[in-house]
Amino acid sequence: NSKVIQTPRYLVKGQGQKAKMRCIPEKGHPVVFWYQQNKNNEFKFLINFQNQEVLQQIDMTEKRFSAECPSNSPCSLEIQSSEAGDSALYLCASSREDTGQLYFGEGSKLTVL
Amino acid sequence: AQSVTQPDARVTVSEGASLQLRCKYSYSATPYLFWYVQYPRQGLQLLLKYYSGDPVVQGVNSFEAEFSKSNSSFHLQKASVHWSDSAVYFCALSMHYNQGKLIFGQGTKLSIKP
Repeated sequence: NSKVIQTPRYLVKGQGQKAKMRCIPEKGHPVVFWYQQNKNNEFKFLINFQNQEVLQQIDMTEKRFSAECPSNSPCSLEIQSSEAGDSALYLCASSREDTGQLYFGEGSKLTVL
Repeated sequence: AQSVTQPDARVTVSEGASLQLRCKYSYSATPYLFWYVQYPRQGLQLLLKYYSGDPVVQGVNSFEAEFSKSNSSFHLQKASVHWSDSAVYFCALSMHYNQGKLIFGQGTKLSIKP
């Protein structure tokens, strides 16, 4: 069973609506990744953090995407104005700093109508 | 550019038969390679990883994989599959020992015939 907790498991939004997903990394894991998995099983790296600092990120799709990992709070990924093409499974993964082995959550499945 | 190719989108084998899922990578330096499994409505679970050393690596649930630098391959194998092995399998590559950003293959959907 995954120790990376993602909520909600499913969310349905209309085009233009805001969508927010949360992730609680495994205890003791300072590194957090977000990936997007589309219906064709294509994975897209979105962003990663170490503690609260962004390590790498893609050009966050016209700034509609934002993410943060505040201390003592869940990490979050937010889409300001959802589009149909954003429909996908959003996976959060965490790791220790030394080994780097990724542990994935079960994902948040976003459907944009 | 780095890439991972899984040439077989779907594989069907009979329960108890042996299995090989193919993975080819493109990367000029030594890669760090992984196989993940994804069951329906779940996230990814790591089966095994190759960092260096013995090219044959053992993983969970009796899976193993063999790294071949000459063939740029990292094929997944299992001697005898069980119906519960039905899932989608992903091969992935990282350029860093601590995984970092993963580059995934397209996945192979494994179906087990009774």
